[in-house]
Amino acid sequence: GQQVMQIPQYQHVQEGEDFTTYCNSSTTLSNIQWYKQRPGGHPVFLIQLVKSGEVKKQKRLTFQFGEAKKNSSLHITATQTTDVGTYFCAGLPSGGSYIPTFGRGTSLIVHP
Amino acid sequence: DVKVTQSSRYLVKRTGEKVFLECVQDMDHENMFWYRQDPGLGLRLIYFSYDVKMKEKGDIPEGYSVSREKKERFSLILESASTNQTSMYLCASSLFTPGVGDYEQYFGPGTRLTVT
Repeated sequence: GQQVMQIPQYQHVQEGEDFTTYCNSSTTLSNIQWYKQRPGGHPVFLIQLVKSGEVKKQKRLTFQFGEAKKNSSLHITATQTTDVGTYFCAGLPSGGSYIPTFGRGTSLIVHP
Repeated sequence: DVKVTQSSRYLVKRTGEKVFLECVQDMDHENMFWYRQDPGLGLRLIYFSYDVKMKEKGDIPEGYSVSREKKERFSLILESASTNQTSMYLCASSLFTPGVGDYEQYFGPGTRLTVT
């Protein structure tokens, strides 16, 4: 079945440094979503990417979808302590399925 | 705003008890999901429902069953709770527009279940 690999599992940064997490799917995706889970909270939808090569920005967050629609990345510029949490990607396989496959998440720890 | 609510934030049950976890969404979504979340393992899909009375097994359905009698409500049942079912349980609902490709999943606050 479809697999979505997400790296790294953990990332420690100093406040102000940049951060990137990567997702790679074993199959072509129709859509990829990104979620953030704060410590003690539940995953919250951030964004979805649909088009090949798509790039979307939300303030300091930049999301990319690969040309082949099999990989994606989330980049945070100049991290802040409020960015702490686990970031998950979730890929929807092409072909009409509505069951996403989640990556295992990247936990971001920001040191002040 | 989409609201997904779960019946309990914390639950402690004994081994062998029957456990019901309830989830309600208020956005008329077709699709509802039950996941469990364990450290280092991410989100694992237990069951999925795409319509009333319709369900599909996810990746780890053993030891669980589900019920969807109404569109807004999706229940997870542990027939005989065991200690290895101690976990965080997350319910979600989603809206999917085929052809357009829009897909968003909305999660409830979670139920932390401890089986002793």
